[in-house]
Amino acid sequence: EDKVVQSPLSLVVHEGDTVTLNCSYEVTNFRSLLWYKQEKKAPTFLFMLTSSGIEKKSGRLSSILDKKELFSILNITATQTGDSAVYLCAVEAGSGGSNYKLTFGKGTLLTVNP
Amino acid sequence: NAGVMQNPRHLVRRRGQEARLRCSPMKGHSHVYWYRQLPEEGLKFMVYLQKENIIDESGMPKERFSAEFPKEGPSILRIQQVVRGDSAAYFCASSPQVVSEQYFGPGTRLTVT
Repeated sequence: EDKVVQSPLSLVVHEGDTVTLNCSYEVTNFRSLLWYKQEKKAPTFLFMLTSSGIEKKSGRLSSILDKKELFSILNITATQTGDSAVYLCAVEAGSGGSNYKLTFGKGTLLTVNP
Repeated sequence: NAGVMQNPRHLVRRRGQEARLRCSPMKGHSHVYWYRQLPEEGLKFMVYLQKENIIDESGMPKERFSAEFPKEGPSILRIQQVVRGDSAAYFCASSPQVVSEQYFGPGTRLTVT
């Protein structure tokens, strides 16, 4: 069974700190890894990673994938209180026509205190 | 461009009643996915649909649950004879193509009393 594990499960930091969130996976026929930010409602898409070693960046957020070691990290620099959320990692995997299912980790709850 | 719409946002049902959850995908998206999020658990895939077709329902419980995506109108997730264990947040996502990032709706929080 496909498995996605995120760590830590929760994290409390002060504004301005830098955080690194981890996601490791064991899946058959990996296609891509996605990061989402979930506040009180819809998970919001952040990044989709398919190739190893290529960093994706959006403002203060960045992410990279290591397909050899089967993990990804999400970095947030100069954190702000608005970054407080649950960060979800999901892996798209499957063969033939079934490579659309997302398997999610349980998420990392990030709290940024002023 | 409106995002994925789901309604209702909150639904309370008594045991034995039926629950109907609706999802309108983003404009131009023809692929719809339903996920369930139980308390303290991650999102779990339930079903993948295209217009008028169920492509994969391997994540759906075999009984009481059904889904459809008619030619006209929203996708519907239907739960018959709800039980307390059905209480969860149900999220719908859509994508323009099958191999593409999925965009999520705000979810429907079902509470069974």
